[in-house]
Amino acid sequence: GAGVSQSPRYKVAKRGQDVALRCDPISGHVSLFWYQQALGQGPEFLTYFQNEAQLDKSGLPSDRFFAERPEGSVSTLKIQRTQQEDSAVYLCASSLGGSRGYTFGSGTRLTVV
Amino acid sequence: KQEVTQIPAALSVPEGENLVLNCSFTDSAIYNLQWFRQDPGKGLTSLLLIQSSQREQTSGRLNASLDKSSGRSTLYIAASQPGDSATYLCANTGFQKLVFGTGTRLLVSP
Repeated sequence: GAGVSQSPRYKVAKRGQDVALRCDPISGHVSLFWYQQALGQGPEFLTYFQNEAQLDKSGLPSDRFFAERPEGSVSTLKIQRTQQEDSAVYLCASSLGGSRGYTFGSGTRLTVV
Repeated sequence: KQEVTQIPAALSVPEGENLVLNCSFTDSAIYNLQWFRQDPGKGLTSLLLIQSSQREQTSGRLNASLDKSSGRSTLYIAASQPGDSATYLCANTGFQKLVFGTGTRLLVSP
């Protein structure tokens, strides 16, 4: 597609529920990133893939967070046993790599009640 | 740990004014510098990308400069319009990941 597509656009989860957020990057983009943005804050890095390899997951806040990109294109961010503090906008970005800049999706707004 | 500071945190100006947004980094080892715009409830839209070998980029009424030696970047917006109202974020690409500031919330009044 022409841009980075994320779904769902909005997600309301009950505390303790598992959620899965999807990112469809720009075709051919090697690098894929997940960020978490709390209200009024800048995005914070979660994890990074180069093709199907997860090269950096240092930003994942706990072992309840898991990301995958099995075929090097679509990626899924899974959050198990959601907590209220997980409420945020989750942004996905992709890049050709190197010095080419990054393109972001519109994000998924997760609200845990 | 790389930290990014954006000043001012918020700015309110009348339409037509020229304005400058500032961005500074604790670590001056900047790779690429990218400025984004974020509208309420939306994702990030890339405005300008300054690659490591460059010192500035221009697009329409926007001009961004980068001083790697001091770890600073500025975004200049000429003849501001109400449609420019948004949050502006700068990010240092560092190594393979973006490090963002908390942004400058801009309001341009008609």
